Amino acid sequence: GDSVTQMEGPVTLSEEAFLTINCTYTATGYPSLFWYVQYPGEGLQLLLKATKADDKGSNKGFEATYRKETTSFHLEKGSVQVSDSAVYFCALKPSASKIIFGSGTRLSIRP
Amino acid sequence: DVKVTQSSRYLVKRTGEKVFLECVQDMDHENMFWYRQDPGLGLRLIYFSYDVKMKEKGDIPEGYSVSREKKERFSLILESASTNQTSMYLCASRSSQDPKETQYFGPGTRLLVL
Repeated sequence: GDSVTQMEGPVTLSEEAFLTINCTYTATGYPSLFWYVQYPGEGLQLLLKATKADDKGSNKGFEATYRKETTSFHLEKGSVQVSDSAVYFCALKPSASKIIFGSGTRLSIRP
Repeated sequence: DVKVTQSSRYLVKRTGEKVFLECVQDMDHENMFWYRQDPGLGLRLIYFSYDVKMKEKGDIPEGYSVSREKKERFSLILESASTNQTSMYLCASRSSQDPKETQYFGPGTRLLVL
C-alpha cells in the first residue's frame, strides 16, 4: 500500500549548517507530497507542498523537489536557525481525502 | 486565519471511562480529521468526516467513534478508555475547495489513561 519513509531522528546540527531530511514514498499514481512542521507545544503546520513530478515546493528557506524517478521528496535548507528546531513530517496524499504521514524527524539546532 | 481548537490540552482518565475529545474549527471547512500521534509512528488517521453527519473510518478506528452533528464540531469518543489509548490526539480540518489541499491542525490533546 501507499507509505512514506523518512529518516530517523533526532537530527542535531549547529546553527547555519546545511540541512537535509530524507523522505521516500511508495504510491500508485501521482500523489501530492507535503512537508509539515510541528513546533514545540503546537499542532502541525503545512511547510510546503508539490503536486507533480519536478515541482519544487519552498517556504521559509526550506525546499523540496518532487522526484518521481527516485520516489523522493527530500527537505533541504541551506542555513538552519535555532528557531527551526521542530519535528518535521513528510506526507503524501494519494486520494481525495486521506493524507499519509511519515513517522516524523526531530530536528534540534545548537546555537 | 484558520483556527482549530481542541477542548483540552491535557486529560487524565481511568481505564473504562468514556472520554469525549472535542474539536471546533471556525472556517466553515467541510472536511475534518482525527489523528493520534505516537513516537516513532507519526500520525495515524482514526476517523474523518466529509461533511455534517458523514464519517469514514481511517486506518485505526477500533475503540473509537465520532460524531459530526454540526459543521464546525467533530467529536472523538473513546467508549471505554484503555491504557493503549494513551496518546496525543490531533484534530485537523480542510476546505474541500482549497486547491492547496492544506490541513489545519489544532494544538493537540495529550491523553493519559491510567
